[in-house]
Amino acid sequence: QVQLVESGGGVVQPGRSLRLSCAASGFSFSTYTMHWVRQAPGKGLEWLALIWYDGSKEYYADSVKGRFTISRDISKNTLYLEMNSLRAEDTAVYFCARGGTVTHSALDYWGQGTLVTVSS
Amino acid sequence: DIQMTQSPSSLSASVGDRVTVTCRASQYISFYLNWYQQKPGKAPKLLIYGASSLQSGVPSRFSGSGSGTDFTLTISSLQPEDFATYHCQQTYFNVWTFGQGTRVEIK
Repeated sequence: QVQLVESGGGVVQPGRSLRLSCAASGFSFSTYTMHWVRQAPGKGLEWLALIWYDGSKEYYADSVKGRFTISRDISKNTLYLEMNSLRAEDTAVYFCARGGTVTHSALDYWGQGTLVTVSS
Repeated sequence: DIQMTQSPSSLSASVGDRVTVTCRASQYISFYLNWYQQKPGKAPKLLIYGASSLQSGVPSRFSGSGSGTDFTLTISSLQPEDFATYHCQQTYFNVWTFGQGTRVEIK
C-alpha cells in the first residue's frame, strides 16, 4: 500500500536551516509529482511546492520561494524540503503528498506530517 | 496567485442535514478544483477531484459541482463521521492554492 513518512522536524532557531525528508513506498515513485503542504497551528492548509516526476521542474508558493527547495532522490524513493532562513511564521506541521502522473492531479495520499517549530 | 475563498468559514448542522460549502476562485480555473476532508490531528483526505469526480472509497453522499470560478461541495445527508474541516484547492496553474477551510460542527 502507498505510504509516505515524513521526518526531520523539530525545534530550530530563527534564521537557521532544516531539511525535511519524506520516504515513499508502495508505488512507483519516479512516475508521480510530489508536493509539500503545511498547516500552521489552528490555520488552514498552505500549499508550498511541487516537483515533477523526474525532478526536472519545481514550483513554489510566493511565501517560500527563494528560501525553500524541493528535491527528490529517485534511487532512495525520498522527497526532500530544504528550508533556509527560517522564520517564526514557518512554524507548522509539514505534510508531503503524492500528486498524479500529470501536473493538475489532486493529492491522493498524504504523510502523517512532521512538526517544525521556529523559536529562539 | 489565484485566491480561493470558501464560505461559510464554519457551520453547525445536525445528523441527516443537507450541507453545502462553496468555493470561489479569483480567476478562471476550469474544473481544476479538489475538495479535502480533514479531522483534528490527521492528514487531509481527498474527497472530490476535477470539481465533480468522487475519489475511490468516498461515500456517495459527497458530491461536487461547478466550473470556471464557482464550486460547491454537497453532503446530502450528514453523518456523525462527517464532522470535520473541508478544504478546497485549485490546481489550474503550477502554483496551487487552498481555500481557508470550512469547519462543519455538530448543532
